[in-house]
Amino acid sequence: NAGVTQTPKFQVLKTGQSMTLQCAQDMNHEYMSWYRQDPGMGLRLIHYSVGAGITDQGEVPNGYNVSRSTTEDFPLRLLSAAPSQTSVYFCASSLWGGHLNEQFFGPGTRLTVL
Amino acid sequence: GNSVTQMEGPVTLSEEAFLTINCTYTATGYPSLFWYVQYPGEGLQLLLKATKADDKGSNKGFEATYRKETTSFHLEKGSVQVSDSAVYFCALSDLQNQGGKLIFGQGTELSVKP
Repeated sequence: NAGVTQTPKFQVLKTGQSMTLQCAQDMNHEYMSWYRQDPGMGLRLIHYSVGAGITDQGEVPNGYNVSRSTTEDFPLRLLSAAPSQTSVYFCASSLWGGHLNEQFFGPGTRLTVL
Repeated sequence: GNSVTQMEGPVTLSEEAFLTINCTYTATGYPSLFWYVQYPGEGLQLLLKATKADDKGSNKGFEATYRKETTSFHLEKGSVQVSDSAVYFCALSDLQNQGGKLIFGQGTELSVKP
């Protein structure tokens, strides 16, 4: 099992550019989520999905879109990048969204917006 | 709303010293509590968890006890090693929280010197 994979590892964008951060898992997990990590703020939830075709907003969804067409993939789209979106992005998955279940994290994507 | 507060870092210890990282929480309902660890350049990994009051989670020499009366989940280790240098995150997950999403503390960086 590869677990949770994310691409790219690093990305530099100019303000206004768009891009998609990729996330995939091979554990047949229903629940997937995106977090951003900023210094001194821990991780904050952007969007999450409880299964294919179902997504919902987290704590900081503005400026980001997601879709979940398959169980395996959960891409995060930045439509018009802003410097405030400079951060490290982590994708996570778990068997289901229940509070007893461990979430597995990908290695992260470090994004810089100039 | 629900929140997690950790002691601020960085924490610097000598090898074989005793470690305590404080974590307190505010939550409605009955959350599960977690400690995640992030080694340099990597994603987060679950270190230990506790799902009800008075439970003790333990792993790799680390322990934390779920104290409902003091709303705390302090992380302890009797003798730290250089390889324990990492960032430690306390987190909670509550069934009332949109299907069990995680709420993280701000993280505590630990540096262990030989």
